[in-house]
Amino acid sequence: DIQMTQSPSSLSASVGDRVTITCRASQSISSYLNWYQQKPGKAPRLLISAASTLQSGVPSRFSGSGSGTDFTLTISGLQPEDFATYYCQQSYSTLPFTFGPGTKVDI
Amino acid sequence: QVQLVESGGGVVQPGRSLRLSCAASGFTFSVYGMHWVRQAPGKGLEWVAVLWYDGTNKYYADSVKGRFTISRDNSKNTLYLQMSSLRAEDTATYYCAKDLQSWLLAGGMDVWGRGTTVTVSS
Repeated sequence: DIQMTQSPSSLSASVGDRVTITCRASQSISSYLNWYQQKPGKAPRLLISAASTLQSGVPSRFSGSGSGTDFTLTISGLQPEDFATYYCQQSYSTLPFTFGPGTKVDI
Repeated sequence: QVQLVESGGGVVQPGRSLRLSCAASGFTFSVYGMHWVRQAPGKGLEWVAVLWYDGTNKYYADSVKGRFTISRDNSKNTLYLQMSSLRAEDTATYYCAKDLQSWLLAGGMDVWGRGTTVTVSS
């Protein structure tokens, strides 16, 4: 199975900050990488698919990059509603579609 | 609007069975693969199973293989997860989710239900 790691596991930031979260796959997954946001008590929300494709309705301050094994999610100008946990997920052809352990972003 | 609504969760004793349902609306259910994802209390997301749009292919996480069965009824726009031989470690909120891409399987999930909670305890 492909293992996913994320760093950091948590971070503290302020409104307006630029935040970068890193996700690493245990083997190359090309660009088959998705990012989700989850707030407490809520279902996850897909932010970015295929490493860098912003989903409809997602603010442009979110961006994704990377390919192969190393990926980043960047939030440019953190807003109060962005405080949440972020998960990466690989969707390469090799099942299972594993998630990373998550990165909690708080104030 | 596009919606997924899970049901069927509850408290069940170890070793017993439970069937979850996920009712879909607002999109053409029959052309999308569907996933189950779970989240244990205070933990991260765990992908559980996926079923192709036409039900021909299905895959499971090793942790549930042989115990859980994913199925669908496209005439009822409903996805199911039959869970048997339940263990304490199956305690979680179970989400159904729609695959991002029609006909093919992208693996990303763009629509999620609110989840249904399963507690396995004696």
